[in-house]
Amino acid sequence: AQSVTQLDSHVSVSEGTPVLLRCNYSSSYSPSLFWYVQHPNKGLQLLLKYTSAATLVKGINGFEAEFKKSETSFHLTKPSAHMSDAAEYFCVVSDLRNAGNMLTFGGGTRLMVKP
Amino acid sequence: SQTIHQWPATLVQPVGSPLSLECTVEGTSNPNLYWYRQAAGRGLQLLFYSVGIGQISSEVPQNLSASRPQDRQFILSSKKLLLSDSGFYLCAWNQQASSYNEQFFGPGTRLTVL
Repeated sequence: AQSVTQLDSHVSVSEGTPVLLRCNYSSSYSPSLFWYVQHPNKGLQLLLKYTSAATLVKGINGFEAEFKKSETSFHLTKPSAHMSDAAEYFCVVSDLRNAGNMLTFGGGTRLMVKP
Repeated sequence: SQTIHQWPATLVQPVGSPLSLECTVEGTSNPNLYWYRQAAGRGLQLLFYSVGIGQISSEVPQNLSASRPQDRQFILSSKKLLLSDSGFYLCAWNQQASSYNEQFFGPGTRLTVL
């Protein structure tokens, strides 16, 4: 069985300061891990994915995430927040063995960026 | 390149009325298809998935149903809507041969049941 825990339901930062969105996962197999972003009333957009090629993964819009197997974590970071980063972020795990290629979503973290 | 469409974008329906939401994918063949619901302030709930024409798997019991009449078309239906069916409905797809399982999402349909 697999699960994802996003440790913060809301995160508030000031524009220009660093962003840290925390994610811990549980998987009985080598997982694939993803971060998605959702702006209000929009679909989900893939930010980045961990594919076991490198533990530090770079994504779009300056975001990156580091896979730490020993800590079962996949935290999302960005050095400097922009107003346009305000959105809901989802950490997602996939176990390739499951039928239907299904994903398991975290509960989401709402990022607010103050001017 | 692949694209995914959903319509309508928004829908307001009375309780007890029928529902039909449509999702189509372009630029790929034999995709896996998924329907999710996102209630206000909550995460995503997988409703149905399909690995081929006419093959539907349901994840939660409810008064909704899904059909896949064509390879790249996925329809979500209800005979009689409930207030609790309100939410944001998202369709997604991925490649059956994908090594990493990432899914690609449509723009969503906002359904309000009154």
